[in-house]
Amino acid sequence: GENVEQHPSTLSVQEGDSAVIKCTYSDSASNYFPWYKQELGKGPQLIIDIRSNVGEKKDQRIAVTLNKTAKHFSLHITETQPEDSAVYFCAALSSDQAGTALIFGKGTTLSVSS
Amino acid sequence: DAGVTQSPTHLIKTRGQHVTLRCSPISGHKSVSWYQQVLGQGPQFIFQYYEKEERGRGNFPDRFSARQFPNYSSELNVNALLLGDSALYLCASSPQAGNTEAFFGQGTRLTVV
Repeated sequence: GENVEQHPSTLSVQEGDSAVIKCTYSDSASNYFPWYKQELGKGPQLIIDIRSNVGEKKDQRIAVTLNKTAKHFSLHITETQPEDSAVYFCAALSSDQAGTALIFGKGTTLSVSS
Repeated sequence: DAGVTQSPTHLIKTRGQHVTLRCSPISGHKSVSWYQQVLGQGPQFIFQYYEKEERGRGNFPDRFSARQFPNYSSELNVNALLLGDSALYLCASSPQAGNTEAFFGQGTRLTVV
């Protein structure tokens, strides 16, 4: 089945710096890759997603890139702000005999200090 | 529009008891999935339901069951609770069976003592 690895597990940046989180996946058949932001005591919030027919997608200060050949995708946050501090999860959509499910990485705790 | 709503928000149960968690999807969404999130980990898939039929099942014991109602709301049931079932249980709704664009509720924090 699908396996998603996420790095780093923790990331500390200064306000205004950029942050990059990287994920790799194992199943070349996966074709949908969302990113979620989870704040303390809340459920994951979908912030951006990318499908396998696209190499890059951008939404204001957030961008995601996908390299299908290498089976890795990354989240880029520019001009970070303290409110960006949260746990970020990458995921890959897996379809097999068990059904269709999002397989998540273990998360990256991003801390933005002012 | 209301997002995904889950109830209750917190729950404390004793080992061996049974629990029922509830989820109402976003209006118009017909797919509901359940995930378990243990502290410090990413969510782990339990079930997906679409149009009241089970479409997927993760690697969880038969103590876990679920169903979806005609209004697309869903229940997750867990029997014979174990201490290890303590976790945040998340419900996600999607507009399609393929589970893309999944939006999560705030979760139910279950503590088993």
